[in-house]
Amino acid sequence: SYELTQPPSVSVSPGQTARISCSGDTLPKQYAYWYQQKPGQAPVLVIYKDTERPSGIPERFSGSSSGTTVTLTINGVQAEDEADYYCQSTDNSGAYHVFGGGTKLTVL
Amino acid sequence: EVQLVQSGAEVKKPGESLKISCKSSGYSFPSHWIGWVRQLPGKGLEWMGKIYPGNSDTRYSPSFQGQVTISADKSISTAYLQWSSLKTSDTAMYYCARQHADYSFDYWGQGTLVTVSS
Repeated sequence: SYELTQPPSVSVSPGQTARISCSGDTLPKQYAYWYQQKPGQAPVLVIYKDTERPSGIPERFSGSSSGTTVTLTINGVQAEDEADYYCQSTDNSGAYHVFGGGTKLTVL
Repeated sequence: EVQLVQSGAEVKKPGESLKISCKSSGYSFPSHWIGWVRQLPGKGLEWMGKIYPGNSDTRYSPSFQGQVTISADKSISTAYLQWSSLKTSDTAMYYCARQHADYSFDYWGQGTLVTVSS
């Protein structure tokens, strides 16, 4: 099996930039995806294929990749961005998926 | 519009069986994998497994292999997650999600809360 590692928490003030990292050995070869989950709600895809943003997701959300680490960046954080964020990827065959442990973003 | 609608909350006793459902609409059900994700109370997301309704090909996370069964009925565009003997540790929220061709989960059900208590 394999793992994706995220920091448990990140805190930023409104208007600042939040960066959430996700590391894993398969990330140089497999894409990463990011989900936002607010309390009591289902997850929502915010970044796919490392850097792509689905329609309807604000431009302040972006993704990047470097080696074994991918990063979700939220520019100009707003209070509504406070949520749990999860990275996700697959094994080399794409048959098996894994989620990171999740990062709680707190907007101070 | 793509929609995944899950069955309602369940309260069961240890040892009982259970089958929860996820009905899809708005796209070609046989052509997309459907995955199941567990979220224990206050914890993170865990991928359990997935099924390709077109041919019922199924993959399980090693953590859930033998613990649950994933199935699908193409005729009614519905995927299922079932247990033969529930444990209290199965108490969780369970989500179904459609897998896009790029391996992301682009549409999610609203979740089914399963509570197992004596």
